[in-house]
Amino acid sequence: EDQVTQSPEALRLQEGESSSLNCSYTVSGLRGLFWYRQDPGKGPEFLFTLYSAGEEKEKERLKATLTKKESFLHITAPKPEDSATYLCAVLLYNFNKFYFGSGTKLNVKP
Amino acid sequence: GAVVSQHPSRVICKSGTSVKIECRSLDFQATTMFWYRQFPKQSLMLMATSNEGSKATYEQGVEKDKFLINHASLTLSTLTVTSAHPEDSSFYICSAQIAGGGTDTQYFGPGTRLTVL
Repeated sequence: EDQVTQSPEALRLQEGESSSLNCSYTVSGLRGLFWYRQDPGKGPEFLFTLYSAGEEKEKERLKATLTKKESFLHITAPKPEDSATYLCAVLLYNFNKFYFGSGTKLNVKP
Repeated sequence: GAVVSQHPSRVICKSGTSVKIECRSLDFQATTMFWYRQFPKQSLMLMATSNEGSKATYEQGVEKDKFLINHASLTLSTLTVTSAHPEDSSFYICSAQIAGGGTDTQYFGPGTRLTVL
């Protein structure tokens, strides 16, 4: 059965304290993996798409990486405005639809 | 770029009435649009996939007659919740893929909060 698991469920960081969020997947035929940020009461905001193992994408304090089993979202020196829920989703070759993980709620304290 | 809007952002209705939610891609054409439902503190649950000019494909367990989806143009999809009941109260979010854009990325709207009294 195809599965997408995110960990941890919640993460509290002090401002400036770097960390990583994990998205592990067991699927057949991965076409792509996507990271989104969602603020309370809003729709997800697109961050990154990764297609191949070894691929890396960066945007400001965020860096996403992909292996054959998992993806990491690294947050360097986070700021309080980085507080949000981060969602990963996988897209399979056979189906044009996303399978979402349950998300990691990040709280960055000043 | 790749902006998706939803209208209304919030709606409160009485039990038994129907509610229509619009999803528009503002700066691109969308061959495929998706409708999701999100419960508090939970992830997104795909309800259906709609392609312009054809019938929507519903996920297992989603009632087609209750959640009517129309994708009449490359920039507009609508979700109508028919005979709404309190259990239909939820956060509904749409997304869209750029037609011929060479990307699978889904761009999401801001969501619609539905409350059924």
